[in-house]
Order: sequence, then structure tokens, then C-alpha cells
Amino acid sequence: QVQLQESGPGLVKPSETLSLTCTVSGGSISSFYWSWIRQAPGKGLEWIGYINYSGSTNYNPSLKSRVTISVDTSKNQFSLKLSSVTAADTAVYYCARVNGGNLLVDCWGQGRLVTVSS
Amino acid sequence: DIQMTQSPSSLSASVGDRVTITCRASQIISSYLNWYQQKPGKAPKLLIYAASSLQSGVPSRFSGSGSGTDFTLTISTLQPEDFATYYCQESYSTITFGQGTRLEIK
Repeated sequence: QVQLQESGPGLVKPSETLSLTCTVSGGSISSFYWSWIRQAPGKGLEWIGYINYSGSTNYNPSLKSRVTISVDTSKNQFSLKLSSVTAADTAVYYCARVNGGNLLVDCWGQGRLVTVSS
Repeated sequence: DIQMTQSPSSLSASVGDRVTITCRASQIISSYLNWYQQKPGKAPKLLIYAASSLQSGVPSRFSGSGSGTDFTLTISTLQPEDFATYYCQESYSTITFGQGTRLEIK
């Protein structure tokens, strides 16, 4: 049973970089795609991007200029960096597994609330 | 970019009702459509993939249909645990979610 767990600061200052890590347990990261998805308070789901084990990425065009997703297969982890954050980036950030062919998200972390505030 | 539009945005229903939620894509996406259920404070859960395939462990009262641009999620007999928010997601190009449909108790 694959499990995902987000970790990282829950508070980030405006204009700084948000950094989160997702640890995958119960399975290898060297298959599937691995994604970040966020949800602003009271709002819907927004896909941020995904990466595979070899480092190939695909990002949401609306966030692409500020997003970097990376993978560390030795630690079974993947990470998100979102630069130049504003209050609009306040959200619950989920890491998730994407089942390649159909791009379906079949396993989710519990989510990490990140607040952008000075 | 593909846009996904769900209707209605919210819906009130009673236990035992049959409920249908609609999702429309801004362009043809074949059957590349998935449905999720999200309860307050929880991560979403995959219900239906490829428009009509039931994810393992999901009750058979949930069903999906459609292809091209128009899709539906049907709950045949509402149970108390089904009151939640439902999202469609296209997987034809990348990953784009609909805005969600909140299903509330009448």
C-alpha cells in the first residue's frame, strides 16, 4: 500500500520560495508519475505539475515560470519549489501519484496547508 | 488549454435519491475523464476513471458515462456517506479539474 506524506514549512513570507517535499513509502518512486496539486481555502483543485523518476516534468502553464519539481530516487522523495509567492498561493498542497497512461490520480497525501503571510 | 465545466455547482438531495452530475469539456477528450470525491478536510478519492471504469473498492452505486465532450457521474441510491464535493478531471492533455459540485443533504 503506497503512502505519501508532505513535509515543509507551513508559513512562507510573500516574495519568498515555498518548498515542500513528499516522501513515498510502501512502493518505489521509480515508476508512475508524481504530482503536486493544490487547493486554496474553499476553492477547487489546481494541478501544479508532475515528474517521473527520470526527471521529466510537465507543469501547469499558469504556474510554469515559478515552479520547479524535482525527484530524489535514492530517498524515494520528490519536491516542489514555488518562487515569488503571494497570498494567492495560500493553499493546501497535496502530493499525489499519477497513473501514467490515463493520467489518473490514484493515491494522495493528506495535504499540507501553506500560508503566505508576513 | 482544455476547460472543464461541471453542473450544477451545488445540489441538494435526500438519502435514497438518484443523482446525476454533468461535466463538459471545451474540446473532444475521447474517454479521458476521471471523477473524484472529496470530503471536508480530506484528500480527494478516485471514483471513476476512463469515463466509466469503477476504481477498485468503490461501491457499485457510482457509475460514469460519456465520451467526446459530455460526461456524467451518477449515484444510483444516495447514502449518507456520499454527501461530499465531486470533481471531474480531464487526462487527455494534462490534468485539469472541473470547478466541483457540492452535494448537500436536503
